[in-house]
Amino acid sequence: AQKITQTQPGMFVQEKEAVTLDCTYDTSDQSYGLFWYKQPSSGEMIFLIYQGSYDEQNATEGRYSLNFQKARKSANLVISASQLGDSAMYFCAMREGSGGGADGLTFGKGTHLIIQP
Amino acid sequence: DARVTQTPRHKVTEMGQEVTMRCQPILGHNTVFWYRQTMMQGLELLAYFRNRAPLDDSGMPKDRFSAEMPDATLATLKIQPSEPRDSAVYFCASGFIRARQFFGPGTRLTVL
Repeated sequence: AQKITQTQPGMFVQEKEAVTLDCTYDTSDQSYGLFWYKQPSSGEMIFLIYQGSYDEQNATEGRYSLNFQKARKSANLVISASQLGDSAMYFCAMREGSGGGADGLTFGKGTHLIIQP
Repeated sequence: DARVTQTPRHKVTEMGQEVTMRCQPILGHNTVFWYRQTMMQGLELLAYFRNRAPLDDSGMPKDRFSAEMPDATLATLKIQPSEPRDSAVYFCASGFIRARQFFGPGTRLTVL
């Protein structure tokens, strides 16, 4: 079974609209972290936002927020007021376990978001 | 602005040749990761080190791939011999706390 599922291979959104990118995850660990990364056409991986499994509030970073629904194992990314520069691949990822230091991430297949003017 | 650096950025080689990719993690980060990105498989974790010790290399083909961290400022990923199916973008990332990993720009490898 896939650990990270992103069900939207591609999305077209009108500029200035809000966007929700879906992500569901599968883990039996109690301690885990969820991440979103953006990969523009240049190929770099840009960190957007992080949510820890014990965080009670949804994470926010500027125009990005993470809609964390633990019981549903869902960690959707919400981009408010989309911009043309938001066009990119978006990856959801999970870190399992509570070992000291950072641990390897498992990535979803990604969603290709295209913002239209 | 601290960044992870990777060299080379692009590499074209012929099947059977040895390939070495290098990564300089962000100073102070205690964990270094190698990921591979292909169209078919997406982003996969190959191996990672903590405090220079290999922690997990289960994602790496052992017969031809090797990863080392000779010192705190250098991590290497070697493929010998290389095969066309190794063509991919190889990312190095480093991290310290669990909240974030910083990715390098990647090495785009093409094996002919």
